[in-house]
Amino acid sequence: QVQLVQSGAEVKKPGSAVKVSCRASGGTFTNNVINWVRQAPGQGLEWIGNIIPIFDTANYAQKFQGRVTITADESTSTAYMELSSLRSEDTALYYCARETRAETYFDYWGQGTLVTVSS
Amino acid sequence: DFQMTQSPSSLSASVGDRVTITCRASQTIFSYLNWYQQKPGKAPKLLIYHASSLQSGVPSRFSGSGSGTAFTLTISSLRPEDFAIYYCQQSYSTLRTFGQGTKVEVK
Repeated sequence: QVQLVQSGAEVKKPGSAVKVSCRASGGTFTNNVINWVRQAPGQGLEWIGNIIPIFDTANYAQKFQGRVTITADESTSTAYMELSSLRSEDTALYYCARETRAETYFDYWGQGTLVTVSS
Repeated sequence: DFQMTQSPSSLSASVGDRVTITCRASQTIFSYLNWYQQKPGKAPKLLIYHASSLQSGVPSRFSGSGSGTAFTLTISSLRPEDFAIYYCQQSYSTLRTFGQGTKVEVK
């Protein structure tokens, strides 16, 4: 059974950066595509980007280009999402979600990490 | 970007009703369309993938149809546990996108 476990809640100052982790267990990490999705309070789901660990290639939504970096560490089966130049609008619940390289749907999700940006 | 537009944004329904939610893509996505259900305080849950395939463990009252740019999610007979928000998501483009969501509320 695949499980995605994310790091804990963060409180950050405007202008700073946050790095959220997502550790996968079960399955084969290199077969995964790890996506990052966020949800601002009372709002819908917003795709941020993803990474294919076996190729170490990342894709980013245009909105976040230049401000987000997604990485993966195969040795620990962990993916990371770093968002910089934080502003209050980045306050949201950040989820990681898995696709496999064979199937293009998000079948497993992390529990979510709340990032609060406040001065 | 592939824009996904859901309608309606919200609907009121009663237990036993047939409910249909529509999702339209800004350009063809063939059958690369997935549906998720989200309940308060929970991560989204996959219901339907590839437009019409039912995810394992999901009740058969949920069904999906469509291809190209127009898709529907149907709940044949609404149950109390189905009151939630539903999202479509395209996976044709490398850059994934979600619809804005449809909230199914108690009438």
